Amino acid sequence: DIQMTQSPSSLSASAGDRVTITCRASETIGNFLNWYQQKPGKAPKLLIYGASSLQSGVPSRFSGSGSGTDFTLTISSLRPEDFATYYCQQCYSTPLTFGGGTKVEIK
Amino acid sequence: EAQLVESGGGLVQPGGSLRLSCLASGFRFSNYWMTWVRQAPGKGLEWVGNIKEDGSQTRYVDSLKGRFTISRDNAKNSLYLQMNSLGPDDTAVYYCATVREFHSGSVNWFDPWGQGTLVTVSS
Repeated sequence: DIQMTQSPSSLSASAGDRVTITCRASETIGNFLNWYQQKPGKAPKLLIYGASSLQSGVPSRFSGSGSGTDFTLTISSLRPEDFATYYCQQCYSTPLTFGGGTKVEIK
Repeated sequence: EAQLVESGGGLVQPGGSLRLSCLASGFRFSNYWMTWVRQAPGKGLEWVGNIKEDGSQTRYVDSLKGRFTISRDNAKNSLYLQMNSLGPDDTAVYYCATVREFHSGSVNWFDPWGQGTLVTVSS
């Protein structure tokens, strides 16, 4: 199984900050990597697919990069509505696996 | 607008069974793979399994094989998850989601997701 490791597991930031979350795969997965945002009590929401493609309707302050084993989700200027938990997910092979999540909290 | 609505969750005793449903609307359900994902309280996301457009193929996480079965009824725009021999570790919110992809074998992603249904296994 492909293990997905996210870091950090949590971070504190202020509105307007640039935030970077990393995700590492235990083996190479090309660009088969997605990012989701989840707010408390809600279903996950797709942000980025194929490592760098922005889902329709998602603000352009979100961006994704990387390939192979190392990936990054960047929020260029954090807004209050961005405080949530973020998950990466590999779609390269089954079992499909998620990272452990990164909780972005208000400083 | 594509929408998924899960139902069937609730309290079940250890060793019991439960069948979850997911009703799709706003898109051609029969054209898409579908998936189930679960999330234990306060924990991360765990993929349960997938089912092909016509129901002819299913894939599961190894730890649930033999206890969980995914099926679908395209005439009813419905996806199902049959769960047997439930234990406390199966307590979770269960989400259904549509699998989107550029083409078969390409990058794929889950969108949209349903709101989830809570399954609690306890005596």
